[in-house]
Amino acid sequence: AQSVSQHNHHVILSEAASLELGCNYSYGGTVNLFWYVQYPGQHLQLLLKYFSGDPLVKGIKGFEAEFIKSKFSFNLRKPSVQWSDTAEYFCAVSPLGAGNMLTFGGGTRLMVKP
Amino acid sequence: DTGVSQNPRHKITKRGQNVTFRCDPISEHNRLYWYRQTLGQGPEFLTYFQNEAQLEKSRLLSDRFSAERPKGSFSTLEIQRTEQGDSAMYLCASSLGLRQDTEAFFGQGTRLTVV
Repeated sequence: AQSVSQHNHHVILSEAASLELGCNYSYGGTVNLFWYVQYPGQHLQLLLKYFSGDPLVKGIKGFEAEFIKSKFSFNLRKPSVQWSDTAEYFCAVSPLGAGNMLTFGGGTRLMVKP
Repeated sequence: DTGVSQNPRHKITKRGQNVTFRCDPISEHNRLYWYRQTLGQGPEFLTYFQNEAQLEKSRLLSDRFSAERPKGSFSTLEIQRTEQGDSAMYLCASSLGLRQDTEAFFGQGTRLTVV
């Protein structure tokens, strides 16, 4: 079975700071990788996903993530955060062919101070 | 709003009672997923339907839990003889899956509190 670790449970940044959220997964085979965001009071939304190809994936709102297969990592980055990025961020994986049967990490709560 | 709709949004029930939640997916989506999220944790996969067929069930889904999708459209999740440990947010998601699955869209969830 696969598992996902998000090492930072809470992150506090000032506006314009750079962001990097760590995500490591454990699975012996090929995986699809996802980052979801949940803004306060809203539903989970997909930020970006990696299925194959270029390991540097660009998503919505200026976010990007890099898949490093040798490190089983899929870290999320944004060069300059805004107050509106305050949210909870979830990394998720699914084995190839498993579609949206996702295994989620525990989440990282990001607070951006204005 | 043509997103995934879940009802009710909140449910408080006494231990031992049965509860049923409903999920209406995006209309053309053939795949439907149920997840459970407890406080401070990420969502956990419970079960998956393709059209009306239930194709996967997590071992988290005890025999007190049953899910149906009778006509391949809306789905219900029933919990019998609720326990305090069932208190959680129950999330539904849907996607359009042909040869390869597409993005899953999540509903806002049903928050269950068992007292």
